[in-house]
Amino acid sequence: GESVGLHLPTLSVQEGDNSIINCAYSNSASDYFIWYKQESGKGPQFIIDIRSNMDKRQGQRVTVLLNKTVKHLSLQIAATQPGDSAVYFCAERSNDYKLSFGAGTTATVRA
Amino acid sequence: KAGVTQTPRYLIKTRGQQVTLSCSPISGHRSVSWYQQTPGQGLQFLFEYFSETQRNKGNFPGRFSGRQFSNSRSEMNVSTLELGDSALYLCASSEGNGYGYTFGSGTRLTVV
Repeated sequence: GESVGLHLPTLSVQEGDNSIINCAYSNSASDYFIWYKQESGKGPQFIIDIRSNMDKRQGQRVTVLLNKTVKHLSLQIAATQPGDSAVYFCAERSNDYKLSFGAGTTATVRA
Repeated sequence: KAGVTQTPRYLIKTRGQQVTLSCSPISGHRSVSWYQQTPGQGLQFLFEYFSETQRNKGNFPGRFSGRQFSNSRSEMNVSTLELGDSALYLCASSEGNGYGYTFGSGTRLTVV
């Protein structure tokens, strides 16, 4: 069945450094992927998405990489800031209009 | 443009009662999906509505139901509440083409 998992449940990063959050997915039929950020007491906030016909997409300070061969997704955050402390989820969508989420990675930025 | 609005933000209910949650999607979006988030199970898909029709359903008991109105606003209902239904209920709005899901802030339901 579908499952989306993040490799590490927690991540600690020094302010100003670059962060990498990884995600593995199992459904090879998934063709759309999204990274979300969730802060305490809030709903998931869209960060960046990527379709399966791409292997890289860049946004403001963020880059998503997709490796369909090994079914791996990563989120890179440049120059990490204190406001980047949150739980990060990757989500995949196959052909049924529903998102499947991983367990999340809690990122803590050290000052 | 306004985001996804969920009401109420917080609810406390007693076991056995029922509850109705509301979600207003982004203007122009015709799809609303509902998710349950708990510390133990994470984010789990409940159901998705598009143009007033349920298009997909997750693996939840029949106590969980929903509907969508002609203005795309959606409600979900949980009957005969159980303690385990305590969770953050989130709705996501999209155009309905399978891309671009925007979440609301959620309704925190506590069952006592």
